[in-house]
Amino acid sequence: DVKVTQSSRYLVKRTGEKVFLECVQDMDHENMFWYRQDPGLGLRLIYFSYDVKMKEKGDIPEGYSVSREKKERFSLILESASTNQTSMYLCASSVGTGLYEQYFGPGTRLTVT
Amino acid sequence: AQSVSQHNHHVILSEAASLELGCNYSYGGTVNLFWYVQYPGQHLQLLLKYFSGDPLVKGIKGFEAEFIKSKFSFNLRKPSVQWSDTAEYFCAVTSRNNNDMRFGAGTRLTVKP
Repeated sequence: DVKVTQSSRYLVKRTGEKVFLECVQDMDHENMFWYRQDPGLGLRLIYFSYDVKMKEKGDIPEGYSVSREKKERFSLILESASTNQTSMYLCASSVGTGLYEQYFGPGTRLTVT
Repeated sequence: AQSVSQHNHHVILSEAASLELGCNYSYGGTVNLFWYVQYPGQHLQLLLKYFSGDPLVKGIKGFEAEFIKSKFSFNLRKPSVQWSDTAEYFCAVTSRNNNDMRFGAGTRLTVKP
């Protein structure tokens, strides 16, 4: 079974803090993704990566950056957390391009106060 | 850019009722279509997917979906729901050679025992 793990299930941070969300997949997948999930808005793509050190912006990259130094690990960074970044963050991975399903981690519920 | 619409935000059914959740997408090219489910407290998991061939796709737990190209639709159906089907359901679309997966806003299904 593909396993995607995220470093924290719940996180509470203060406005202005730098926040790191970590994601690890164990199936040697090429592609990794970060989404945020908000009620009534579904999942919105923040960034994705199709190879080590490669990244592409999604629909809502503002206020976020990413890092992929190793194939199995994809980090999401909130440079200066704000209250409007309070959300559920989901990481996913897939073996290839559009034909392939994505496998999701359990999510990190981030609250910024 | 491709987009996905799920018209039902919250559906409430009694056990044994039939289910149909609507999904429409806007994209002119060849698409791949997915339905994901998120049970309470669990991560998103794939219900079924369509790439090509028979437009009627069968998935896990008795779910099926029909791709109607002329209507740009991929509706999810189940003839008889159970209380355990209570979850949020997301329709998603990718283009054939694209890493972007676009999700609908989700439909919350509540099945009353």
